[in-house]
Amino acid sequence: DAGVTQSPTHLIKTRGQQVTLRCSPISGHKSVSWYQQVLGQGPQFIFQYYEKEERGRGNFPDRFSARQFPNYSSELNVNALLLGDSALYLCASSLNSGEIDTQYFGPGTRLTVL
Amino acid sequence: TQLLEQSPQFLSIQEGENLTVYCNSSSVFSSLQWYRQEPGEGPVLLVTVVTGGEVKKLKRLTFQFGDARKDSSLHITAAQPGDTGLYLCAGAKESNSGYALNFGKGTSLLVTP
Repeated sequence: DAGVTQSPTHLIKTRGQQVTLRCSPISGHKSVSWYQQVLGQGPQFIFQYYEKEERGRGNFPDRFSARQFPNYSSELNVNALLLGDSALYLCASSLNSGEIDTQYFGPGTRLTVL
Repeated sequence: TQLLEQSPQFLSIQEGENLTVYCNSSSVFSSLQWYRQEPGEGPVLLVTVVTGGEVKKLKRLTFQFGDARKDSSLHITAAQPGDTGLYLCAGAKESNSGYALNFGKGTSLLVTP
């Protein structure tokens, strides 16, 4: 079975631009979460979506937004990019959205902001 | 704010040695997950522990969840170069941000032949 897939794998943008990252969950998984991982740190939670509804939001500015589609895939949008947004953006899917639902991660999208 | 503290931050050992990585918190978690991550890739799930005091073994890896569900440890026996990577612990709990995994900063392990 295919795991979590993300696109693109790498992306280079300049300050002030906007970016859209995409994620397809494992087949049958209804929940998608997004994380930001800066070099040398553990992943930081950005959003969780379940059945197209936002279920959780981390401590990130409003420049970050996301949505989930009827097929459970998801997009993460970041507006007005800053240098500090350079990071590995990870998508994780889980069967549901409960606390003990194991999350499976995709390979990530490496975003570089110049 | 980092809810989970991992130690040590870096570890460099020779093939065949044993090691233990610790994951500590003042918070109680419903479950705790251990991941291994290689550079430029996403974390790969190793194990999920749910019950306080639970011990799980995965070949040469032994995972333990503390009785109070606030801490965990990962013990590797006879480490091999293929064990090299970043080991992350993550606790699941509900907060005002909804359900999320709270990650530690990780332990970077290097096993040399």
